[in-house]
Amino acid sequence: RKEVEQDPGPFNVPEGATVAFNCTYSNSASQSFFWYRQDCRKEPKLLMSVYSSGNEDGRFTAQLNRASQYISLLIRDSKLSDSATYLCVVNGGGSYIPTFGRGTSLIVHP
Amino acid sequence: EAGVTQFPSHSVIEKGQTVTLRCDPISGHDNLYWYRRVMGKEIKFLLHFVKESKQDESGMPNNRFLAERTGGTYSTLKVQPAELEDSGVYFCASSQGLAGVEEQYFGPGTRLTVT
Repeated sequence: RKEVEQDPGPFNVPEGATVAFNCTYSNSASQSFFWYRQDCRKEPKLLMSVYSSGNEDGRFTAQLNRASQYISLLIRDSKLSDSATYLCVVNGGGSYIPTFGRGTSLIVHP
Repeated sequence: EAGVTQFPSHSVIEKGQTVTLRCDPISGHDNLYWYRRVMGKEIKFLLHFVKESKQDESGMPNNRFLAERTGGTYSTLKVQPAELEDSGVYFCASSQGLAGVEEQYFGPGTRLTVT
């Protein structure tokens, strides 16, 4: 089983739609969770950290479910500019080496 | 403020040759990380520097890879001799705190192709 798993997609949605991604992790001792966004042939950039209480930033909401060992990212009112790959990053629990998922591809069309 | 920079952006070399990648982190960031993404796979950790010291190099694939960070500023990653499976995108990232806890800032990557 991979340490961090994501559905690669692509998720193909119309503008204005709401879309949600999940990311599961295998190490129950993991402490820190992040969503990064990566545009085609660009470097990853932090989208948001994921806190135990969940957090929201505009149209984006991230949540953590420790019992089921997954984090989620919800995007409301999708924009064309949201098209990208969304990377789930988890620290390894017991170490501070970030572990990446393969990413979920989102395509928002007019 | 300047971001993380990497050089070169692309490199095409033949199997058996040597290549050296360079990373300049954000000024003041003690933590520097090297990652690699092979086509179709996830980004994988290679190693972590704190200032000039190697904190963790458990992700380095083998002894053909050598990383240095002299003076705790820029870092180099040398591959010698290169093999076909070394092809991929090599990212460098830096952070003030540990990347497992704080945001890390990525460079644009070096796309390495070994033929």
